Amino acid sequence: EMVLTQSPATLSLSPGERATLSCRSSQSVTGNYLSWYQQKPGQAPRVLIYGASTRATGIPARFSGSGSGTDFTLTISSLQPEDFAVYYCQQYYNLPLTFGGGTKVEIK
Amino acid sequence: QVQLQQSGPGLVKPSQTLSLTCAISGDSVSSDRGGWNWIRQSPSRGLEWLGRTYFRSRWHTDYAVSVESRITINPDTSKNQFSLQLNSVTPEDTAVYYCTRGSSMDVWGQGTTVTVSS
Repeated sequence: EMVLTQSPATLSLSPGERATLSCRSSQSVTGNYLSWYQQKPGQAPRVLIYGASTRATGIPARFSGSGSGTDFTLTISSLQPEDFAVYYCQQYYNLPLTFGGGTKVEIK
Repeated sequence: QVQLQQSGPGLVKPSQTLSLTCAISGDSVSSDRGGWNWIRQSPSRGLEWLGRTYFRSRWHTDYAVSVESRITINPDTSKNQFSLQLNSVTPEDTAVYYCTRGSSMDVWGQGTTVTVSS
Protein backbone atom coordinates (compact mmCIF):
# COMPACT_ATOMS: atom_id res chain seq x y z
CA GLU A 1 0.00 0.00 0.00
CA MET A 2 1.25 3.45 -0.96
CA VAL A 3 1.44 5.64 2.19
CA LEU A 4 1.09 9.40 1.77
CA THR A 5 2.50 11.62 4.51
CA GLN A 6 1.40 15.24 4.63
CA SER A 7 3.20 18.04 6.41
CA PRO A 8 2.79 20.10 8.37
CA ALA A 9 -0.28 18.82 10.19
CA THR A 10 -1.36 22.39 10.86
CA LEU A 11 -0.38 25.61 9.14
CA SER A 12 -1.21 28.90 10.87
CA LEU A 13 -1.19 31.82 8.45
CA SER A 14 -2.83 35.17 7.87
CA PRO A 15 -5.00 36.12 4.90
CA GLY A 16 -2.83 37.22 2.00
CA GLU A 17 0.08 34.97 2.97
CA ARG A 18 1.44 32.14 0.87
CA ALA A 19 0.71 28.55 1.94
CA THR A 20 2.96 25.64 0.99
CA LEU A 21 1.70 22.12 1.75
CA SER A 22 3.73 18.97 1.29
CA CYS A 23 2.75 15.41 0.39
CA ARG A 24 5.38 12.67 0.39
CA SER A 25 4.73 9.16 -0.91
CA SER A 26 6.32 5.92 0.29
CA GLN A 27 6.73 4.86 -3.37
CA SER A 28 7.07 6.75 -6.61
CA VAL A 29 3.73 7.97 -8.00
CA THR A 30 4.51 7.14 -11.61
CA GLY A 31 2.64 9.28 -14.12
CA ASN A 32 1.96 11.89 -11.45
CA TYR A 33 -1.38 10.31 -10.64
CA LEU A 34 -1.91 12.54 -7.60
CA SER A 35 -4.80 14.80 -6.62
CA TRP A 36 -5.33 17.48 -3.99
CA TYR A 37 -8.66 18.10 -2.21
CA GLN A 38 -10.07 20.81 0.02
CA GLN A 39 -12.55 19.97 2.76
CA LYS A 40 -14.54 22.41 4.87
CA PRO A 41 -16.47 21.41 8.01
CA GLY A 42 -19.64 19.48 7.25
CA GLN A 43 -18.85 19.24 3.53
CA ALA A 44 -17.51 16.59 1.22
CA PRO A 45 -14.00 17.08 -0.12
CA ARG A 46 -13.72 18.81 -3.49
CA VAL A 47 -10.94 18.27 -5.98
CA LEU A 48 -8.55 21.17 -6.57
CA ILE A 49 -5.73 19.58 -8.54
CA TYR A 50 -5.34 16.31 -10.47
CA GLY A 51 -2.39 14.90 -12.37
CA ALA A 52 -0.23 16.64 -9.76
CA SER A 53 -0.50 20.04 -11.46
CA THR A 54 -3.75 20.43 -13.43
CA ARG A 55 -6.38 22.64 -11.81
CA ALA A 56 -9.87 21.20 -11.77
CA THR A 57 -12.73 23.08 -13.38
CA GLY A 58 -13.55 26.33 -11.60
CA ILE A 59 -10.54 26.29 -9.27
CA PRO A 60 -8.89 29.72 -8.89
CA ALA A 61 -5.40 30.29 -10.26
CA ARG A 62 -4.02 30.97 -6.76
CA PHE A 63 -4.02 27.18 -6.26
CA SER A 64 -1.14 25.37 -7.93
CA GLY A 65 0.31 21.89 -7.70
CA SER A 66 3.82 20.72 -8.44
CA GLY A 67 6.17 17.83 -7.90
CA SER A 68 6.88 14.35 -9.20
CA GLY A 69 8.06 10.96 -8.04
CA THR A 70 7.61 10.90 -4.28
CA ASP A 71 7.40 14.62 -3.42
CA PHE A 72 4.47 16.85 -4.22
CA THR A 73 3.44 20.35 -3.20
CA LEU A 74 0.23 22.35 -3.13
CA THR A 75 0.74 26.11 -3.08
CA ILE A 76 -1.87 28.74 -2.35
CA SER A 77 -0.28 31.98 -3.51
CA SER A 78 -2.34 34.40 -1.43
CA LEU A 79 -4.74 33.00 1.15
CA GLN A 80 -8.31 34.17 0.93
CA PRO A 81 -10.73 33.87 3.89
CA GLU A 82 -12.52 30.97 2.17
CA ASP A 83 -9.27 28.97 1.83
CA PHE A 84 -8.99 28.12 5.53
CA ALA A 85 -9.82 24.43 5.50
CA VAL A 86 -8.25 20.96 5.54
CA TYR A 87 -6.33 19.77 2.49
CA TYR A 88 -5.69 16.17 1.46
CA CYS A 89 -3.55 14.55 -1.19
CA GLN A 90 -4.53 11.27 -2.83
CA GLN A 91 -2.74 8.92 -5.21
CA TYR A 92 -4.48 6.99 -7.95
CA TYR A 93 -1.45 5.30 -9.46
CA ASN A 94 -2.24 1.95 -7.88
CA LEU A 95 -4.70 0.14 -5.66
CA PRO A 96 -5.68 0.66 -2.99
CA LEU A 97 -6.32 4.32 -3.67
CA THR A 98 -4.90 6.12 -0.66
CA PHE A 99 -5.13 9.53 0.98
CA GLY A 100 -2.77 11.52 3.14
CA GLY A 101 -3.67 12.43 6.69
CA GLY A 102 -4.40 16.06 5.83
CA THR A 103 -3.05 19.53 6.54
CA LYS A 104 -5.26 22.01 8.35
CA VAL A 105 -4.75 25.60 7.24
CA GLU A 106 -5.96 27.83 10.04
CA ILE A 107 -6.15 31.56 10.60
CA LYS A 108 -3.25 32.92 12.60
CA GLN B 1 -23.59 18.88 -14.33
CA VAL B 2 -22.91 15.51 -12.77
CA GLN B 3 -24.45 14.90 -9.36
CA LEU B 4 -24.41 11.97 -6.97
CA GLN B 5 -27.29 11.54 -4.52
CA GLN B 6 -26.76 9.13 -1.64
CA SER B 7 -29.50 7.35 0.28
CA GLY B 8 -29.63 4.82 3.08
CA PRO B 9 -30.06 4.49 6.83
CA GLY B 10 -27.92 6.41 9.28
CA LEU B 11 -28.12 3.84 12.05
CA VAL B 12 -27.18 0.16 11.78
CA LYS B 13 -27.03 -2.42 14.55
CA PRO B 14 -23.83 -4.37 15.20
CA SER B 15 -23.52 -7.59 13.14
CA GLN B 16 -26.07 -6.34 10.61
CA THR B 17 -25.57 -5.09 7.05
CA LEU B 18 -24.90 -1.48 6.07
CA SER B 19 -26.57 -0.66 2.73
CA LEU B 20 -26.18 2.59 0.80
CA THR B 21 -27.13 3.66 -2.70
CA CYS B 22 -25.66 6.36 -4.92
CA ALA B 23 -27.89 7.67 -7.71
CA ILE B 24 -26.12 9.24 -10.68
CA SER B 25 -27.42 12.16 -12.74
CA GLY B 26 -25.60 13.72 -15.67
CA ASP B 27 -23.47 10.64 -16.37
CA SER B 28 -23.86 6.90 -16.78
CA VAL B 29 -22.79 4.18 -14.37
CA SER B 30 -21.56 2.35 -17.51
CA SER B 31 -19.31 5.21 -18.66
CA ASP B 32 -15.54 4.80 -18.97
CA ARG B 33 -14.50 7.74 -16.75
CA GLY B 34 -12.54 5.66 -14.26
CA GLY B 35 -15.20 4.07 -12.18
CA TRP B 36 -17.43 4.65 -9.19
CA ASN B 37 -16.09 4.53 -5.67
CA TRP B 38 -17.15 4.26 -2.06
CA ILE B 39 -15.04 6.16 0.46
CA ARG B 40 -15.48 6.57 4.20
CA GLN B 41 -14.10 9.08 6.68
CA SER B 42 -13.68 8.76 10.42
CA PRO B 43 -11.45 10.48 12.98
CA SER B 44 -9.53 7.24 13.59
CA ARG B 45 -9.04 6.13 9.97
CA GLY B 46 -9.15 9.41 8.03
CA LEU B 47 -10.26 9.09 4.41
CA GLU B 48 -10.37 5.43 3.43
CA TRP B 49 -11.12 4.01 -0.02
CA LEU B 50 -13.39 0.95 0.25
CA GLY B 51 -13.81 -0.13 -3.33
CA ARG B 52 -15.04 0.63 -6.83
CA THR B 53 -16.96 -0.69 -9.78
CA TYR B 54 -16.38 0.13 -13.44
CA PHE B 55 -17.29 -1.08 -16.91
CA ARG B 56 -14.63 -1.98 -19.48
CA SER B 57 -16.24 -4.45 -21.88
CA ARG B 58 -17.55 -6.13 -18.73
CA TRP B 59 -18.13 -5.15 -15.12
CA HIS B 60 -15.19 -5.07 -12.73
CA THR B 61 -14.94 -4.52 -8.99
CA ASP B 62 -11.96 -3.85 -6.74
CA TYR B 63 -12.05 -3.83 -2.95
CA ALA B 64 -9.78 -2.70 -0.14
CA VAL B 65 -8.13 -5.62 1.62
CA SER B 66 -9.38 -4.33 4.98
CA VAL B 67 -13.02 -4.95 4.03
CA GLU B 68 -12.88 -7.37 1.10
CA SER B 69 -14.44 -10.27 3.02
CA ARG B 70 -17.47 -8.15 3.97
CA ILE B 71 -18.10 -5.75 1.07
CA THR B 72 -20.12 -5.81 -2.14
CA ILE B 73 -20.39 -2.95 -4.62
CA ASN B 74 -22.97 -3.43 -7.36
CA PRO B 75 -23.93 -1.34 -10.36
CA ASP B 76 -27.58 -1.01 -11.34
CA THR B 77 -27.83 0.05 -14.97
CA SER B 78 -31.65 0.13 -14.96
CA LYS B 79 -31.63 2.85 -12.29
CA ASN B 80 -28.24 4.39 -13.17
CA GLN B 81 -26.89 3.94 -9.67
CA PHE B 82 -24.51 1.83 -7.65
CA SER B 83 -24.68 0.44 -4.17
CA LEU B 84 -22.57 -0.50 -1.17
CA GLN B 85 -23.23 -3.40 1.15
CA LEU B 86 -21.00 -3.95 4.15
CA ASN B 87 -21.79 -7.03 6.21
CA SER B 88 -21.20 -7.86 9.86
CA VAL B 89 -20.64 -4.26 10.89
CA THR B 90 -19.06 -3.26 14.19
CA PRO B 91 -18.75 0.14 15.89
CA GLU B 92 -15.44 0.57 14.01
CA ASP B 93 -17.49 0.94 10.81
CA THR B 94 -19.05 4.14 12.16
CA ALA B 95 -18.08 6.86 9.68
CA VAL B 96 -19.26 9.30 7.05
CA TYR B 97 -19.63 7.38 3.79
CA TYR B 98 -19.22 9.02 0.38
CA CYS B 99 -19.70 7.87 -3.19
CA THR B 100 -17.41 9.43 -5.79
CA ARG B 101 -16.68 9.39 -9.51
CA GLY B 102 -13.34 8.46 -11.07
CA SER B 103 -9.92 7.70 -9.71
CA SER B 104 -9.21 11.41 -9.24
CA MET B 105 -12.65 11.81 -7.65
CA ASP B 106 -14.01 14.87 -9.39
CA VAL B 107 -17.57 14.41 -8.13
CA TRP B 108 -18.68 13.50 -4.59
CA GLY B 109 -21.98 12.59 -3.03
CA GLN B 110 -23.24 14.61 -0.10
CA GLY B 111 -22.09 12.05 2.47
CA THR B 112 -24.08 9.80 4.81
CA THR B 113 -23.24 9.61 8.49
CA VAL B 114 -23.59 5.96 9.51
CA THR B 115 -23.52 5.02 13.16
CA VAL B 116 -23.18 1.40 14.22
CA SER B 117 -24.86 1.02 17.58
CA SER B 118 -27.45 -1.14 19.29
